Amino acid sequence: AQSVSQHNHHVILSEAASLELGCNYSYGGTVNLFWYVQYPGQHLQLLLKYFSGDPLVKGIKGFEAEFIKSKFSFNLRKPSVQWSDTAEYFCAVKSYNQGGKLIFGQGTELSVKP
Amino acid sequence: GAVVSQHPSRVICKSGTSVKIECRSLDFQATTMFWYRQFPKQSLMLMATSNEGSKATYEQGVEKDKFLINHASLTLSTLTVTSAHPEDSSFYICSARIERGWNEQYFGPGTRLTVT
Repeated sequence: AQSVSQHNHHVILSEAASLELGCNYSYGGTVNLFWYVQYPGQHLQLLLKYFSGDPLVKGIKGFEAEFIKSKFSFNLRKPSVQWSDTAEYFCAVKSYNQGGKLIFGQGTELSVKP
Repeated sequence: GAVVSQHPSRVICKSGTSVKIECRSLDFQATTMFWYRQFPKQSLMLMATSNEGSKATYEQGVEKDKFLINHASLTLSTLTVTSAHPEDSSFYICSARIERGWNEQYFGPGTRLTVT
């Protein structure tokens, strides 16, 4: 079945550690790719998005993601995490083969220890 | 930036009653709005796509008679959970799409529904 998969359910890091969260999708055709963050008790916020062009996209708060078309992947990275990055992270894909609906991955809970 | 509001933020209702949740785009018009449901520690599941002036499109497995969606204006969509049951308890999130540029979606803060 077509889907969006996030590899890690829960990631625990110490401050200043590097972060990489995996995201793979199985939709064909043209896709737009997104990472959202949900801080505890808050609503979803867009971290970054890829529509076209440079496959390495930079977002807010020092996050970046790389679109690798051949691997159907859009992994999220941050060189040095902070305690304030503790949140739930969602990868999402908009596939035009699916009528342009935004489909979310399962989410990855990131806990950063001070 | 584009802002989407939801009301109420939390609601507790008795089993068998109906609950209406409002979703508003505050500073833009949205022909299309989306309703998602999020269970604890899980992802957002798309329930339906709400189109202004026409019937909503429901995802497979979502009961349209139970989750009534009305998109009467370009800034307001409502979700009514009819004859609510405890298993309907969840976090409901709406999203509105800007119909220009990249057609980006903006999310509301969500509504926590608890059915007792």
